[in-house]
Amino acid sequence: EAGVVQSPRYKIIEKKQPVAFWCNPISGHNTLYWYLQNLGQGPELLIRYENEEAVDDSQLPKDRFSAERLKGVDSTLKIQPAELGDSAVYLCASSSGQGDYEQYFGPGTRLTVT
Amino acid sequence: QKEVEQDPGPLSVPEGAIVSLNCTYSNSAFQYFMWYRQYSRKGPELLMYTYSSGNKEDGRFTAQVDKSSKYISLFIRDSQPSDSATYLCASFQGAQKLVFGQGTRLTINP
Repeated sequence: EAGVVQSPRYKIIEKKQPVAFWCNPISGHNTLYWYLQNLGQGPELLIRYENEEAVDDSQLPKDRFSAERLKGVDSTLKIQPAELGDSAVYLCASSSGQGDYEQYFGPGTRLTVT
Repeated sequence: QKEVEQDPGPLSVPEGAIVSLNCTYSNSAFQYFMWYRQYSRKGPELLMYTYSSGNKEDGRFTAQVDKSSKYISLFIRDSQPSDSATYLCASFQGAQKLVFGQGTRLTINP
């Protein structure tokens, strides 16, 4: 069974530029999460989807961040414009929805903003 | 104050030693307690979880939760160099979000 797939794995951009991250969850997983992980810190939830619906986006900085999960499968997280402080690893995770504690993480996208 | 606190280490021990990793949490409503392992440049992977207080054993790993003191522990017996990673504790309250500690970087020296 394929795990959570994320692309790109690495991205370097200049500040004020836009950037997008893509995630394909484990097949059949209805719940999808985007996390932010700063260096030396644990992941912090940005947004959680149940199918197509964003059920928890309270931690998503909506002035510059946006996310979508069309058709309830793949998801895209966008930052526009990027700031220096956005440099971090962006992790995608998915779960079956029957027990959210069993979350399966992708390898992450490491973003560097210069 | 963070809801889940974890000593970031780093922690370095010789191969074969017993490792003890610990976290504290502040939210008494937390019900599930997880330990994730994260290798460098990889995403976290779930090691094991416990519900409420008690112990859970899986091979060389034992997870322990003491809800009275809000203390979470992970013990690794007969530690191996392949156990070198960052270990993240996390707590979960019903349908709410998973809250992580900051992780402890562990190195097992051959």
